[in-house]
Amino acid sequence: DIQVTQSPSSLFASVGDRVSISCRASQSVNYYLNWYQQKPGTAPKLLIFFASNLKSGVPSRFSGSRSGTDFTLTISGLQPEDFATFYCEQTYSIPHNFGQGTKVQIK
Amino acid sequence: QVQLQESGPGLVKPSETLSLTCSVSGGSLTNYYWTWVRQPPGKGLEWIGYIYYSGATNHNPSLKSRVTVSVDTSKNQFSLNLTSVTAADTAVYYCAKGLDYLAVWGSGTTVTVSS
Repeated sequence: DIQVTQSPSSLFASVGDRVSISCRASQSVNYYLNWYQQKPGTAPKLLIFFASNLKSGVPSRFSGSRSGTDFTLTISGLQPEDFATFYCEQTYSIPHNFGQGTKVQIK
Repeated sequence: QVQLQESGPGLVKPSETLSLTCSVSGGSLTNYYWTWVRQPPGKGLEWIGYIYYSGATNHNPSLKSRVTVSVDTSKNQFSLNLTSVTAADTAVYYCAKGLDYLAVWGSGTTVTVSS
C-alpha cells in the first residue's frame, strides 16, 4: 500500500498568514494527490485535485504544488472561514489513502 | 448540481451486517464512479471502496471480504454492505462521486455498532 504522511498534525495561525501543509507519499503517485477541507460536523470538501488543479468555486488563495513525492497545500492569506482540518488523499493505487489530517487553529 | 444522501440504520448489533444506501439526485449514476469513505469518531478518513455504474467494483483490502458495494441504476442509488461488524466499524459513513478525486460528498450518516 502507498502511505501518505501529512505534516504538521496541527498548527496555529492568524488571519492573513500564509500557511503550508505537507503531504509525502511513500512512493510515486504521479500527480494523483488531492486536498480536502473538513469543518466540524460536516463532510469534507474538495479543494485541489491532481496536485495543483483548483476546483471550480474554491478561492484562489488555495494552491497546490508537487515536487516528486512531496506535495504542498498553501493558503495565501488565511481567512476566518479557513480554520478547519485539511486532508490529502492519494488515488494512484488501490487502496486509496488519506493523510492523517492537519488541524488549522486560530492563534 | 448532483446531490448525494446516505440512508440506513443508525444502530447495528455486533456481528450483524451494516447496510447503507446512497441516493443520487440532480444527475445520473451513469458513466461515473461512486465511492464510500468512513470516519470513526474523532479520527481521520478511511477509504472503503468504489463502484462504477456498470457494476465494476473494488474495496480496501483492510476490510477483507466483509465489504460489498452494489449499484441500482434504475433507482439511481448505490449501496454498501459491511458484514460481521464490530465496535471498530462505528463511524460516520460518507458516499461520494468520483474515484480519482471525490468532487461531491453526501452529508454523512452515523452508524453505531452496539448491542
